[in-house]
Amino acid sequence: GENVEQHPSTLSVQEGDSAVIKCTYSDSASNYFPWYKQELGKRPQLIIDIRSNVGEKKDQRIAVTLNKTAKHFSLHITETQPEDSAVYFCAASTGANNLFFGTGTRLTVIP
Amino acid sequence: DTGVSQDPRHKITKRGQNVTFRCDPISEHNRLYWYRQTLGQGPEFLTYFQNEAQLEKSRLLSDRFSAERPKGSFSTLEIQRTEQGDSAMYLCASSFPGNNQPQHFGDGTRLSIL
Repeated sequence: GENVEQHPSTLSVQEGDSAVIKCTYSDSASNYFPWYKQELGKRPQLIIDIRSNVGEKKDQRIAVTLNKTAKHFSLHITETQPEDSAVYFCAASTGANNLFFGTGTRLTVIP
Repeated sequence: DTGVSQDPRHKITKRGQNVTFRCDPISEHNRLYWYRQTLGQGPEFLTYFQNEAQLEKSRLLSDRFSAERPKGSFSTLEIQRTEQGDSAMYLCASSFPGNNQPQHFGDGTRLSIL
């Protein structure tokens, strides 16, 4: 089955700086890559997703890049704010609809 | 609130007891998924339904677990003869049909086994 690895496990940045979280996947058939943000005790919230027919997608301060050849994808958050502090999960799917998640990155934005 | 809702939010029970959780998906979504999340880990897929049909089950879903979606709307997840290792957050998600549709999660049911 699919195996998704995520790095780093923890990340601290100063407010206003950028944060980058990286994920790799093993199944070359994976073609859908969502990112979720989970605050303590709350539901995973979809923040952005990308499909394998594009290499980059941006939504305001958040962007995701995908390298199908290398089988890795990354989340970029610019101009970080304290409310960006949360655990971020990447995931991959072959289209069968069950998502395979990474182990999460705890992002702390220091005011 | 038209999001995915789950009930109860918390469940504490003794080992060996049976528990049942409920999930109400977003009304327009006919796909419903169950995941399990343990501390410090990402959610792990358990099973999913399209309408009332259970289309896929993970090997994580032992024979003590059963999920139903009798009318294609809400779903229940039952765990029989609970064990310590069942302690986790049980998350439900829903989506439109078709491949690679965004899945929207509920707040989950946190199960604690004493």
